Amino acid sequence: QSALTQPASVSASPGQSITISCTGTTSDVGSYNYVSWYQQHPGKAPKLMIYDVSDRPSGVSNRFSGSKSANTASLTISGLQAEDEADYYCSSYTGSSTPLVFGTGTKVTVL
Amino acid sequence: EVQLLESGGGLVQPGGSLRLSCAASGFTFNSFAMSWVRQTPGKGLEWISTITGGGAYTYYADSVKGRFTISRDNSKNTLFLQMNSLRADDTAVYYCAKRPIWSNNWYYFDPWGQGTLVTVSS
Repeated sequence: QSALTQPASVSASPGQSITISCTGTTSDVGSYNYVSWYQQHPGKAPKLMIYDVSDRPSGVSNRFSGSKSANTASLTISGLQAEDEADYYCSSYTGSSTPLVFGTGTKVTVL
Repeated sequence: EVQLLESGGGLVQPGGSLRLSCAASGFTFNSFAMSWVRQTPGKGLEWISTITGGGAYTYYADSVKGRFTISRDNSKNTLFLQMNSLRADDTAVYYCAKRPIWSNNWYYFDPWGQGTLVTVSS
């Protein structure tokens, strides 16, 4: 099972919006609505930001939103803030012999 | 407050073994699936293994199947990962993580521990 494909980096200025893509296949993202997104600051453990494609855990800012179309999931961060500068990883259930796969990760830089 | 504290990491030679532990507190341990996820230095995340709350069911990534064994001691609120036949590409920070309280699905992780570094090298 190969990792989901994400852009290596995305950057924008404060206040702008960015979208991070997460491309899988019909065996994972395309077949299941079990897509999640994690935020990881340097030296810290990942934090769950989005689950079930577009739901937010309690306490996560509504500036973070998720969506999916065919084999690609997306994370949008609106009103970008300095604290959003971090690495972001998607993950998806696969239903295969390796039932969970992560994305390659995206470094978000706030200019 | 939920706390997960990993231990047992260190330097081990290729072909060697290591046992990681994750001490849990702040929740009813036997009610939650627990997982191990690793992160190679400077690189991405890789799900390794999950065990259900009662310990009856386990799941493994193909990359570690047959070499790693996940287990738990619910009387001691502790999760384990026995790692055998270690290889250089097993070098990573190993995190334990809990199923979220609001989810029935084990494939979401919230929260995570702080991680323990395993280095496989001669």
